[in-house]
Amino acid sequence: GESVGLHLPTLSVQEGDNSIINCAYSNSASDYFIWYKQESGKGPQFIIDIRSNMDKRQGQRVTVLLNKTVKHLSLQIAATQPGDSAVYFCAEGANYGGSQGNLIFGKGTKLSVKP
Amino acid sequence: EAGVAQSPRYKIIEKRQSVAFWCNPISGHATLYWYQQILGQGPKLLIQFQNNGVVDDSQLPKDRFSAERLKGVDSTLKIQPAKLEDSAVYLCASSPDRSSYNSPLHFGNGTRLTVT
Repeated sequence: GESVGLHLPTLSVQEGDNSIINCAYSNSASDYFIWYKQESGKGPQFIIDIRSNMDKRQGQRVTVLLNKTVKHLSLQIAATQPGDSAVYFCAEGANYGGSQGNLIFGKGTKLSVKP
Repeated sequence: EAGVAQSPRYKIIEKRQSVAFWCNPISGHATLYWYQQILGQGPKLLIQFQNNGVVDDSQLPKDRFSAERLKGVDSTLKIQPAKLEDSAVYLCASSPDRSSYNSPLHFGNGTRLTVT
């Protein structure tokens, strides 16, 4: 079936460096994509989302890029901090129809920030 | 605003026993979700409620799992009887309406279930 997946299961970066977390998706009909951050023992926390008709969206220290041609999504974190250490999930969703509200999550990338 | 509340935080049971999880969503959120997250994987939707009605339970193993949201607020998820493969974190999430762009899900911290 359709699925969302990640290229790298683990990523280790130095504090202050930029981080890039990648995600491949296969459902070209998805309307939007979301990045969630999950710290140990906690539920996923919303970071940023992007609509399928956009290429780029920026938030505070984070940027999401969407390349629909190759069905690729990335999350860029600027000046990575120890508090950014967590597992990051991409998810895809639909804005309407029977699948609205059913987010499909990828497997996750563990980000470790070295001080 | 208060977040999504879940209890218990941890539960250890033997296989074939039954277990129940409770969720209190963010006040005013019409939509409530139960997700199962197996270690090392992303969350997988089990059931979605809109107020007190089921919107999607296509991935709920109905022979052993059940869920209800009788008054359109709190919800319970039950497993009876439990199997070893049910060991996972059970996450509850809510949103004002069905999740869409600019209306993301808010997750609780989950209940970690271990079946021995």
